[in-house]
Formats: sequence, C-alpha cells, structure tokens
Amino acid sequence: EVQLVESGGGLVQPGRSMKLSCAASGFTFNNYDMAWVCQAPKKGLEWVATISYDGSSTYYRDSVKGRFTISRDNAKSTLYLQMDSLRSEDTATYYCARHGPLTGSWYFDFWGPGTMVTVSS
Amino acid sequence: DTVLTQSPALAVSPGERVTISCRASESVSTGMHWYQQKPGQQPKLLIYGASNLESGVPARFSGSGSGTDFTLTIDPVEADDTATYFCQQSWNDLTFGSGTKLEIK
Repeated sequence: EVQLVESGGGLVQPGRSMKLSCAASGFTFNNYDMAWVCQAPKKGLEWVATISYDGSSTYYRDSVKGRFTISRDNAKSTLYLQMDSLRSEDTATYYCARHGPLTGSWYFDFWGPGTMVTVSS
Repeated sequence: DTVLTQSPALAVSPGERVTISCRASESVSTGMHWYQQKPGQQPKLLIYGASNLESGVPARFSGSGSGTDFTLTIDPVEADDTATYFCQQSWNDLTFGSGTKLEIK
C-alpha cells in the first residue's frame, strides 16, 4: 500500500525557518518525481516545488524561489522541504505528492494527509 | 500564469448526471487533470490527461475536452460524491482551479 506521511509542521514566527519531511513507503521511491503542494485555509491548491526522481533537477513556484529548498534522500525514502524566511502568506497545509509514473507526468497520483504550517507572531 | 476558472458550487440529486466545467485562460492542449477532495482529506486523482481514468476510480467519472474547455462528468451521482473538485493544468507551468463544491441534495 502506497503511503506518504508528512511531519514537521507547526507554529513558527515570521522570518524563521521550518523543515518538513515526508516518509514514503509501499512503492519504489527513487522511481518517482515528488512534489510539495500547499492549501491555505479554506482556499485552493498551489503547487510549491518538484524534485526529479534522482534529485538532479528541482523546480519552484516564483513566490518561494530563494526561500524554499526541496530535497530528497532516496536511501531513506524521504522527501524534504526546507522553508526559510517564512511569511504569513505561507500559512497552509502542505501536502507531499507523488508525480504520475511516466516521465514528464506533471500531475499527482498520490497525496499524503498533509501537515499544517502556521506563520504568526 | 494560466488561470483556470471553475464555477463555485453545484447541487444535484442522487442518480442524476452532473458536469463540472473548467475553462483555461489559454490553451493547455490535453494537459488537464481532475481531483476530488472530501472535507478534511487530501486530494485524490480522478482523471489525468483530460480523459484518462485513474486506476481504481469508478467508471461513473469521466473527463473530456482539449484546448481551453474541459469537463468532468459524474453519471450517475452518488451521495458519497459530496466533495470539492479541482482541475489542474500542466501545459504552462502548473496551476489549479479554485474548485467546484458539489452538494448532493
């Protein structure tokens, strides 16, 4: 059974940092591109970042470029999101998501339950 | 960014056919995908590539369209289909629609 379980969320002050983790199981992690997608309270979904299956390529939405870093440890089947210089508008539930199975599949065929990040003083 | 426009809400009765639309501000070819999100849960993929049914998703769900106009159809609707449905395009970067909340009367 495919499982993605996020952790590391919580309350953080503006300007501080937070690191999210996503533990994957039930599939061959290093065969898949992976992503983070966020959802502000009562709002829609926003793609945040993607990392290729081998970690060689990363992609970010403009609003997080230079502040967030996506990475992965294939030996541990774990995805990460390092978030620096956090802003109140980063407040959201952050989902770990698996890209579709084919190369260049820019949709998400499995999602974790999410972890909430609240940026507030 | 490519903007995806969805109607905010729909209400239908069980057994009826419902179509949920998504219009793109520019052509996305067939790079359109649909998700179902039930309250308090993560999204679930229903349709990818405009018309391909994801494995394990009931055949009551179908998708169509290309270019700028896309449709998700549920026929027949069941009570358990109460959810918000999001479209997502992958042709020009990656953006989501704002979602259509489906109520089953």
